[in-house]
Amino acid sequence: SQTIHQWPATLVQPVGSPLSLECTVEGTSNPNLYWYRQAAGRGLQLLFYSVGIGQISSEVPQNLSASRPQDRQFILSSKKLLLSDSGFYLCAWSGDRDNEQFFGPGTRLTVL
Amino acid sequence: GQNIDQPTEMTATEGAIVQINCTYQTSGFNGLFWYQQHAGEAPTFLSYNVLDGLEEKGRFSSFLSRSKGYSYLLLKELQMKDSASYLCAVGSYNTDKLIFGTGTRLQVFP
Repeated sequence: SQTIHQWPATLVQPVGSPLSLECTVEGTSNPNLYWYRQAAGRGLQLLFYSVGIGQISSEVPQNLSASRPQDRQFILSSKKLLLSDSGFYLCAWSGDRDNEQFFGPGTRLTVL
Repeated sequence: GQNIDQPTEMTATEGAIVQINCTYQTSGFNGLFWYQQHAGEAPTFLSYNVLDGLEEKGRFSSFLSRSKGYSYLLLKELQMKDSASYLCAVGSYNTDKLIFGTGTRLQVFP
């Protein structure tokens, strides 16, 4: 069966510090991968998605970036965090069958 | 363009029935999803409709009308644990993305 992992689960970082969040998927190959951010009490905002290694589509301009160094690994990064980067970051994957997405447990980021 | 609308908040009583509506606009429609998200947790899949009609799964049912761009999620015999946000999402053949609504926060009271 397929599983999706995210770490860390929670993170508190000072403004201006770098960020690296990791997402890995097991039990499937060549998944589509997605990074979402959800601010408190708000909907899901799609940040990046990837249909293959090295292929990244950015949805919104921001100080975040994403990379896909391996087929089942998706990394979200920032060189300098802003207060507005605080939120709940969710990674998701989907296969070929349909658009159904499966979410990881999420990372709660607080920027102080 | 693509757009999804659903109510922001709803309240209901334990044991009752509640219907959460979702209207959407998209090109190349390829299915409508409902997800449940408890506070502080990741969304979990509830239902998928790609053809018109009603899909029933236990206490939850989901309806789709493609011609009207409309879906609803029906929750029966409400329980306190059903208090959560319910996200409507639409897929498209033209993209690998799902477009999510902002979610409906449901509060169930005893």
